Amino acid sequence: DIQLTQSPSFLSAFVGDRVTITCRASQGISSYLAWYQQKPGKAPKVLIYAASTLQSGVPSRFSGSGSGTEFTLTISSLQPEDFATYYCQQLASYPRTFGQGTKVEIK
Amino acid sequence: EVQLVDSGGGLVKPGESLSLSCAASGFTFTNAWMSWVRQAPGKGPEWIGHISSNPDGGTTDYIASVKGRFTISRDDSKTTLYLQMNSLKTEDTAMYYCIWNDGGLDYWGQGTLVTVSS
Repeated sequence: DIQLTQSPSFLSAFVGDRVTITCRASQGISSYLAWYQQKPGKAPKVLIYAASTLQSGVPSRFSGSGSGTEFTLTISSLQPEDFATYYCQQLASYPRTFGQGTKVEIK
Repeated sequence: EVQLVDSGGGLVKPGESLSLSCAASGFTFTNAWMSWVRQAPGKGPEWIGHISSNPDGGTTDYIASVKGRFTISRDDSKTTLYLQMNSLKTEDTAMYYCIWNDGGLDYWGQGTLVTVSS
């Protein structure tokens, strides 16, 4: 199984800050990576797929990059509604594993 | 518009069974590879199994912790995915989501809550 390691696990930031979350895969997954945002009581919502493609309706302050084994999710200017937990997921093979999550909280 | 409507969750006792359903629409279900993902309270999502399309053999695979207890099936005529869960354990308590695996993008249902408690 492909393991995904996200860092950091917790992040405290101000509104307006630039935030970067990293996801490392235990083996190469090309660009088969998605990023999700999850708020309490809600299903995960896809933000980015194919490592860098912005899902329709997602604000342009979100961006993704990387390929192979190292990937990043960047929020260019953190907004109040962005405080949530973020997960990466690999879609290169089954089982489709997830990172352990990054909780973004208000500083 | 892609829609996946999960249903069938509830409160059951350890050792009991439960069957979940996922009604799919807005895409060609016959050719779709489908999965179930669960998320225990306070934890991250966990993929538990998938089923290939019938043209691709209709094969299934599961994580070790549910293998032999859970069964994924599909009815293409009803565009519905199923998850039969037997011998439920307290650690199976989670929100269960139906997923359409569309290549590099997964579509999620809204989830249905399964609580296993005595």
